[in-house]
Amino acid sequence: NSKVIQTPRYLVKGQGQKAKMRCIPEKGHPVVFWYQQNKNNEFKFLINFQNQEVLQQIDMTEKRFSAECPSNSPCSLEIQSSEAGDSALYLCASRDWGSSQNTLYFGAGTRLSVL
Amino acid sequence: GDQVEQSPSALSLHEGTDSALRCNFTTTMRSVQWFRQNSRGSLISLFYLASGTKENGRLKSAFDSKERRYSTLHIRDAQLEDSGTYFCAAEKNNAGAKLTFGGGTRLTVRP
Repeated sequence: NSKVIQTPRYLVKGQGQKAKMRCIPEKGHPVVFWYQQNKNNEFKFLINFQNQEVLQQIDMTEKRFSAECPSNSPCSLEIQSSEAGDSALYLCASRDWGSSQNTLYFGAGTRLSVL
Repeated sequence: GDQVEQSPSALSLHEGTDSALRCNFTTTMRSVQWFRQNSRGSLISLFYLASGTKENGRLKSAFDSKERRYSTLHIRDAQLEDSGTYFCAAEKNNAGAKLTFGGGTRLTVRP
C-alpha cells in the first residue's frame, strides 16, 4: 500500500532534549505532511510542504518544532526542546499533486516518548 | 475550525454481519479518504473519493456528491481481520490542503 518510510520507529527522549525524526516520501510525490496523533487518537496537523516549500504550519510548529524537506534528502521533523506533552505518534504522509486520485499515503510513524 | 464528526466511536460486530460507519462534515468538503489503523499504528488507505461510490471486496464507501457534507463506509460480511480503528479524513481545497480527521471508530469483530 504505502511506500513512505519513517525512521526511527521508536524514540525515547528526556524533557528538554532534541528529538528528530525522518521521512522519505513516496517517489514522485511532491506534497508531504506531518501529523501528530495523541493517545486519544486525535490527529493534529503540524506542517506540510510542496517540494521544499512550506505550504501551511500551525503555531506550535513555528515555535518549538522545525521541519524541512530538502531536495534529494529525507524530510525531517525536529522538536527543539521536548516536553512530556509531545509524547505521541508522529505520522508522515505524501501525495501526488494534480492527479485525479490524490490519495494520501502514510508511513508507519515514529512513536515518541518523552520521559 | 472545520470539524469532522465520526460515528459510532466504537462498534462490536459478530463475524458475518454488516455495518456502516459515517462521517459528517460541518462544511462542504472537496474529498474524503478512509483509513484503517492497525494495532501497530500503521494507517492503511482504504478509499479516496471526490464523489460517488467505490467498492473494494467487502468494503464500500460513498461520498455525498450533492451537498458534500457526509461520507459512509459499509462493511459487509465482517471478518476478524477487519478489526481495527477506522478514520475518515476530509479536505476542503486542493492537494496541498491539510486533511481534517474524524475521531475514529474502534471496530471489534468477534467470532
